[in-house]
Amino acid sequence: GAVVSQHPSWVICKSGTSVKIECRSLDFQATTMFWYRQFPKQSLMLMATSNEGSKATYEQGVEKDKFLINHASLTLSTLTVTSAHPEDSSFYICSATKGQSNTEAFFGQGTRLTVV
Amino acid sequence: AQSVAQPEDQVNVAEGNPLTVKCTYSVSGNPYLFWYVQYPNRGLQFLLKYITGDNLVKGSYGFEAEFNKSQTSFHLKKPSALVSDSALYFCAVRDPQYSSASKIIFGSGTRLSIRP
Repeated sequence: GAVVSQHPSWVICKSGTSVKIECRSLDFQATTMFWYRQFPKQSLMLMATSNEGSKATYEQGVEKDKFLINHASLTLSTLTVTSAHPEDSSFYICSATKGQSNTEAFFGQGTRLTVV
Repeated sequence: AQSVAQPEDQVNVAEGNPLTVKCTYSVSGNPYLFWYVQYPNRGLQFLLKYITGDNLVKGSYGFEAEFNKSQTSFHLKKPSALVSDSALYFCAVRDPQYSSASKIIFGSGTRLSIRP
């Protein structure tokens, strides 16, 4: 199988603090990981594409300095929401692929971030 | 640019009846197409994919989808719906002409409701 583990499942933080979300591929090497944001009853909005050992590619409108992505190894990518504000509250989902474009992506269980 | 459209926000079907969830796509070349299902507060689960070959692909939980190049569609189907099929369904596309880091773009989602 292909398992992607995302941690934490939920987090509550105070406005102005930073939060780190981890995405791990447990049984395969993920050359590419994707970070999505999902608002209630809406689709997944791609935030950035992360490749191991290189800088992430951010989608238009996503602030690079606010959403820091690090993909330091083939099994781990992290998303840090810096100086979080209530409007950053959302469901964040990561996915990982095995390295070929014809393969499906495997998703983490998501992280519910609430900024108070 | 690639895009995916799911024209129905919600589909309601009686248990035991066939179901169809519609999806159309737009890519510059031959697409890689996927269907995912999402349960509340969870990540996405892969159902099936079309890469090449037979236009009718079979996936998990009895679902299947038919690739129609002339209509640029990839509708999800199941011959007999179950109440447990009630969930949010996403169609997704990946443009294979790019590298393995090519983006996976999701449709807006269709909420499937199966009544007993």
